[in-house]
Amino acid sequence: QSVLTEPPSASGTPGQRVTISCSGSSSNIGSNYVYWYQQLPGTAPKLLIYRNNQRPSGVPDRFSGSKSGTSASLAISGLRSEDEADYYCAAWDDSLSGVVFGGGTKLTVL
Amino acid sequence: QVQLVQSGAEVKKPGASVKVSCKASGYTFTNYGISWVRQAPGQGLEWMGWISAYSGSTKYAQKLQGRVTMTTDTSTSTAYMELRSLRSDDTAVYYCAKGSETYSDFDYWGQGTLVTVS
Repeated sequence: QSVLTEPPSASGTPGQRVTISCSGSSSNIGSNYVYWYQQLPGTAPKLLIYRNNQRPSGVPDRFSGSKSGTSASLAISGLRSEDEADYYCAAWDDSLSGVVFGGGTKLTVL
Repeated sequence: QVQLVQSGAEVKKPGASVKVSCKASGYTFTNYGISWVRQAPGQGLEWMGWISAYSGSTKYAQKLQGRVTMTTDTSTSTAYMELRSLRSDDTAVYYCAKGSETYSDFDYWGQGTLVTVS
């Protein structure tokens, strides 16, 4: 049982816009930055979004992040086959004094 | 370019210990922390803890307190994670990750080290 809640799966067709949600509480998302990581099959995770909505250099602007209250979301527009991966949200949790992750969302491009 | 290169796969018996290394290059090692994250087969990511490469101060996940020790060797820009009293549910891929601005900010990752407890 993960502290942050993500849907286990999401899907879309090429070119579509997909949104992945991440729900937490006041001790994590509500008071700290949210980060998103992309994990392609068989590889290490990669930082996709930091500080709620910032993209590292090299990450396409098709990826965007947002946060409101105790929830956050990752949006992917212009979906491409290479976006098929697992996506994880993460945040610091003040009560646990540790980083907590969502359970991950497996994105399928149909 | 920033690189984190981890040690190779390990097979351990229950009750044993394992020590995984993570050699950093391409940046000033002591300017950033290193976190360790593990992933059991077919499961999600689990944060294990963080170490400051500058001071050696650590933060460990509550679940692993007492069983895990993280250290660094600044002379070789290498971070280490030792996990003791291994159990079968410690079987996982262990990743080191370079920190950036906050504890949750992992901007570069190692390739992962599979530890099998059996």
